[in-house]
Amino acid sequence: DIQMTQSPSSLSASVGDRLTITCRASQSISDYLNWYQQKPGKAPELLIYAASSLQSGVPSRFSGSGSGTDFTLTISSLQPEDFATYYCQQSYVTPWTFGQGSKVEIK
Amino acid sequence: QVQLQESGPGLVKPSETLSLSCTVSGGSVSSASHYWTWIRQPPGKGLDWIGFIYHSGSTTYNPSLKTRVTISVDTSKNQFSLKLSSVTAADTAVYYCARMYYHGSASYPLFDYWGQGTLVTVSS
Repeated sequence: DIQMTQSPSSLSASVGDRLTITCRASQSISDYLNWYQQKPGKAPELLIYAASSLQSGVPSRFSGSGSGTDFTLTISSLQPEDFATYYCQQSYVTPWTFGQGSKVEIK
Repeated sequence: QVQLQESGPGLVKPSETLSLSCTVSGGSVSSASHYWTWIRQPPGKGLDWIGFIYHSGSTTYNPSLKTRVTISVDTSKNQFSLKLSSVTAADTAVYYCARMYYHGSASYPLFDYWGQGTLVTVSS
């Protein structure tokens, strides 16, 4: 199975901050990388697919980049509704696997 | 707007079979473009993909669960279902159903609609 490792696992940030979360795959996955946001008690929601494509309806402050094994999710200016847990997921080969999550908390 | 809703028992005894259904509204499980997926999340932990089914009945499972899992589809009810046998406490989780499709010419798989999730606890 392809292992997905996110960093950091948790971080504290303030409204307006620029935030970057990284995701590393244990082998090359080209750009078959998705990012999801999950709020407490809710299902995950798709933010980014194909490493850098913004899902319809997702604010433009979210962006993704990377290819191969190293990927990043960036929030350009953190908003109150962005405090959540973020997961990367490889869709290159089954079994599809997720990172362990990165929890963004209010400083 | 596509909506998915999980249903089934919230408590299952060890060694028994977990059974859940997912009812789809605003869309069809017979869609040629979509696949229907189960994903679970143990309390306080990350997400695990269980498997998916196409309307034809073709399935793909996570090898870690393959010997215990069955996903089926009922096009007449616009539902798909999950059965997980011989459960243990390690199978306690929130179970999500989700819609998957392959986007674009490069066929990027993604999960675009999810159910709200249902907690299943394995305990005697």
